Formats: sequence, C-alpha cells, structure tokens
Amino acid sequence: NAGVTQTPKFRVLKTGQSMTLLCAQDMNHEYMYWYRQDPGMGLRLIHYSVGEGTTAKGEVPDGYNVSRLKKQNFLLGLESAAPSQTSVYFCATLRGKGTDTQYFGPGTRLTVL
Amino acid sequence: KNEVEQSPQNLTAQEGEFITINCSYSVGISALHWLQQHPGGGIVSLFMLSSGKKKHGRLIATINIQEKHSSLHITASHPRDSAVYICAVRIHNTGRRALTFGSGTRLQVQP
Repeated sequence: NAGVTQTPKFRVLKTGQSMTLLCAQDMNHEYMYWYRQDPGMGLRLIHYSVGEGTTAKGEVPDGYNVSRLKKQNFLLGLESAAPSQTSVYFCATLRGKGTDTQYFGPGTRLTVL
Repeated sequence: KNEVEQSPQNLTAQEGEFITINCSYSVGISALHWLQQHPGGGIVSLFMLSSGKKKHGRLIATINIQEKHSSLHITASHPRDSAVYICAVRIHNTGRRALTFGSGTRLQVQP
C-alpha cells in the first residue's frame, strides 16, 4: 500500500520544454489535487479532479493542463515550461465522503532554467 | 490580504519549552487543518478541527469559530519537532473541497 506517489522526484527543464508529472494513488480516493509550493507562500491549488474523467481549474491554472483518465492517476502537464513554474509540486488525495483529511505525495521539485 | 494568516513565521525554541503557533482566517470554513512538513518536503496531517480542541501526544490544537482563530501547542518540545507547521482551511460550500493554506511557521527546537 504505497498511498500517494509522485514521479519524478526532481527535474530540471529548459525554458520551452514540456513535461508531465504523474500522481498515483492506491486508496481508491475520488478527489485529487495538484498544488504548488513557493517560498514564503502557502500551497496554491493548480487543478483538481472530483472523479475519474473530470478535471477543473484551481487558483493558478495558467500554463498547466491535467488529465484523469484513470481513477488512480492524475497527470499534470507543462506544455512550454517557464522559469515562473520553478516550484515544488504536491499531489494530494481525498476520499470524498465524510472526511476532509487530505493525503499528500512526497513532492516533485522542478527547476526551469 | 491572505485568507489564512499564521504567526510567527519563524520560531526558535529550546528543548522542553512550550510552543504556540497561531492561525487566523477571514472566511467561513467547514474545517481547519494543521499539517506538518519536515525538511525533505513530506506533508502529513496532524489535526482536523471544526470545533473545540484535540490532543495527540504532546500536540494540542484548539479552534475558536467565533473569533476565526486556531492555535497549535507543543508541550515539552523536542528537536524532532523541528519542522514547518501549516494551517489550512476548507472554505465553506466549495464543492471542490480543496484546502486554502497559510504560509507556514518554521519551527526549530534546539537541544
């Protein structure tokens, strides 16, 4: 039972390159979230999903796309990376019924040069 | 103004001291969470509160809904408590059930 995993753990990109971050969960949770964490700021919501096949924008969605084709996976894509997307990215999950406890992945540290 | 404010931003304590971290919020909420983030990044949930007080080991969390304020207390602090403590709220009536986070309090407990 791995909980929430994120791939990769670290990545360095050049401006304009693309990449996909993978979040995988084995808890059968309905809700999944992508947050970014920047120094001096709280985590901010990028995109989220309330179930398989659904996605929605959060507070800071520009420059990112997401997909949730399978319930256990939530992908975050950067089509053309920019230095402003240098951040630590966290995935989180929520069962969705009767509880508010979110379970976080270990994070992905992304640097865009 | 941020919807969730924490204080202090940084805190250094000596081992054994009683520690208090404060969180104020400006919106209606369904629940408030306290989270811990250790160096290396992992985030774990410590408490979820909608009223009153909760205790787990040396950690105590309280919330005053009327005053929109919560506190996290650590009794008999230890160097292993060194971490960033994050307050987060679930804003009332948002179907997405995402959290809105404070910027965190960095705690260092010195031996």
